[in-house]
Amino acid sequence: EIVLTQSPGTLSLSPGERATLSCRASQNVPSSYVAWYQQKPGRAPRLLIYGAFRRATGIPDRFSGSGSGTDFTLTISRLEPEDFAVYYCQQYGSAPLLTFGGGTKVEIK
Amino acid sequence: QLQLQESGPGLVKPSETLSLTCTVSGDSFSSSTDYWGWLRQPPGKSLEWIGSISYSGITYYNPSLKSRATISVDMSKNQFSLNLSSVTAADTAMFYCARLLGGTFSDNWSQGTLVTVSS
Repeated sequence: EIVLTQSPGTLSLSPGERATLSCRASQNVPSSYVAWYQQKPGRAPRLLIYGAFRRATGIPDRFSGSGSGTDFTLTISRLEPEDFAVYYCQQYGSAPLLTFGGGTKVEIK
Repeated sequence: QLQLQESGPGLVKPSETLSLTCTVSGDSFSSSTDYWGWLRQPPGKSLEWIGSISYSGITYYNPSLKSRATISVDMSKNQFSLNLSSVTAADTAMFYCARLLGGTFSDNWSQGTLVTVSS
């Protein structure tokens, strides 16, 4: 099983700042099959990124993904008030077996 | 626009079987490439994939559930279902159904339903 470790657990930033979230895999993720989701309280997750860097439909370009192998990053270039939420990475390189990271909470400083 | 809606009891007794159904509307349920999945999220914790099913009934499950999960599909009703047997308090969670594109990531989730395991 590919285990995903996200860091930091919590990121305290101000609107307008840049957020950099990390997702590290316990082994190589084939074909960079990593997705990122945003989740707000009481809501279902929302797909942001798939294939490590491809933005899902309707996702603003301030969200970008990068990485390969075992290290992946989600960057939010300039935080908007609606971006404060919890973010999860997911790998599907071992599909049909899917695993998620523990999440990073981006909170207002 | 694709919509998924779960239904089922919000309270289940320990050792009993949790049963949920997901009804899919607004889009084709018979895609040969999509899978339909169940995921859960214990309060305050991360997401866990439970299992997936294709329109033709091919299933995959998370090994950590030790064969307690069973997913089935009813194409005539545009529904798929989850049974989770021998539940304990550790199974208390928000349960989501979702479309998994090619069985990989999800672009469409249900709103979620909280299931509590308690006597």
